Amino acid sequence: DQQVKQNSPSLSVQEGRISILNCDYTNSMFDYFLWYKKYPAEGPTFLISISSIKDKNEDGRFTVFLNKSAKHLSLHIVPSQPGDSAVYFCAAVTGGGADGLTFGKGTHLIIQP
Amino acid sequence: ETGVTQTPRHLVMGMTNKKSLKCEQHLGHNAMYWYKQSAKKPLELMFVYNFKEQTENNSVPSRFSPECPNSSHLFLHLHTLQPEDSALYLCASSQGLAGSGYVEQFFGPGTRLTVL
Repeated sequence: DQQVKQNSPSLSVQEGRISILNCDYTNSMFDYFLWYKKYPAEGPTFLISISSIKDKNEDGRFTVFLNKSAKHLSLHIVPSQPGDSAVYFCAAVTGGGADGLTFGKGTHLIIQP
Repeated sequence: ETGVTQTPRHLVMGMTNKKSLKCEQHLGHNAMYWYKQSAKKPLELMFVYNFKEQTENNSVPSRFSPECPNSSHLFLHLHTLQPEDSALYLCASSQGLAGSGYVEQFFGPGTRLTVL
């Protein structure tokens, strides 16, 4: 049973517009949520995180929103750039749990010129 | 070398072979992890080590045997694998465990394993 779900396998967005990637989770014990970006033949690289006690965290072009009541988070990228084309993974972790990250399947973001 | 390195990057082995995957982190971290990514599945945690001690075994079959001789090195010894074990194996490290506030993990590029 998947605890972290990314229901959109792919997303196509025009350069300069906003990209919105969504993630849902089922485990209410998750304390932190993270977004990773992955290019082909490379490992995932950390983008941004948010604690469960917050509802928004911003870092440059990247903003993550958390809606705990809906068990939903989203990553907004604005403006989208060609280099943003990659697979984006949503991940979650419990502070006092197994300490490994629980990942979603990923969303392939394609930025079109 | 910087970050997290993994060798080999690609590995093809038969079901009766014994091989090892190596991971090295140059970040001064204390925790290291093995993850597995099979086709069309999310990354799955396999093992967690903190200060060389295993803290988590996520119900991994015994044909996968981890070894952590020090905080900078992590191995995954493979023996009598099955074709369904073919996957991308990723190593990661973090300053400490999430319970201590260290949630960000840094990943290596992975080893693409094919079992024939």
